[in-house]
Amino acid sequence: DAKTTQPTSMDCAEGRAANLPCNHSTISGNEYVYWYRQIHSQGPQYIIHGLKNNETNEMASLIITEDRKSSTLILPHATLRDTAVYYCIVRAPNTPLVFGKGTRLSVIA
Amino acid sequence: EAGVTQFPSHSVIEKGQTVTLRCDPISGHDNLYWYRRVMGKEIKFLLHFVKESKQDESGMPNNRFLAERTGGTYSTLKVQPAELEDSGVYFCASSQPLGGGNTEAFFGQGTRLTVV
Repeated sequence: DAKTTQPTSMDCAEGRAANLPCNHSTISGNEYVYWYRQIHSQGPQYIIHGLKNNETNEMASLIITEDRKSSTLILPHATLRDTAVYYCIVRAPNTPLVFGKGTRLSVIA
Repeated sequence: EAGVTQFPSHSVIEKGQTVTLRCDPISGHDNLYWYRRVMGKEIKFLLHFVKESKQDESGMPNNRFLAERTGGTYSTLKVQPAELEDSGVYFCASSQPLGGGNTEAFFGQGTRLTVV
């Protein structure tokens, strides 16, 4: 079973920042927080991951709270192509990803 | 660099037939995973290879499913005999070797299997 809780759906205006929350209150010390997304029926796409420090790459930023019980994925300037289901996953090293229901993000023009 | 490749992209077979799905991971990736998504449900883990060895096959639904990874390169997932409930999209993913730390897994585009 997924160890994370995410809102079912969110809307975001095009060009604005999309902030997707995730709760993972039972995360273990060796588990990382991963974010993936699935656009239509394509294969899941890796976005970003982190352990305890905030992370940023060309796609997004990941903000992890100090107690590591929750995190937020930030898409700084959402576009229509960012419409997808976003999955927050906690994962120990070299173990399979366990997908939950994710958050359906709709970017609106 | 080529990503994870899956063949075929679509397959329609009759109930009782056999189908074999293939996954070519990213070169050098020792970890290979199979997942499945049936309509309306979440993406479910099936099994995990480390090189040619099955590390975890706890998600395999039943003995009609057989996964192999001879030589630790590409992998096949055979369904024999196929049933209607096997319909769905089968995804394969790969990630770097154990010594590579906690690395991301990259997914293929999936094989859409329809059993009629």
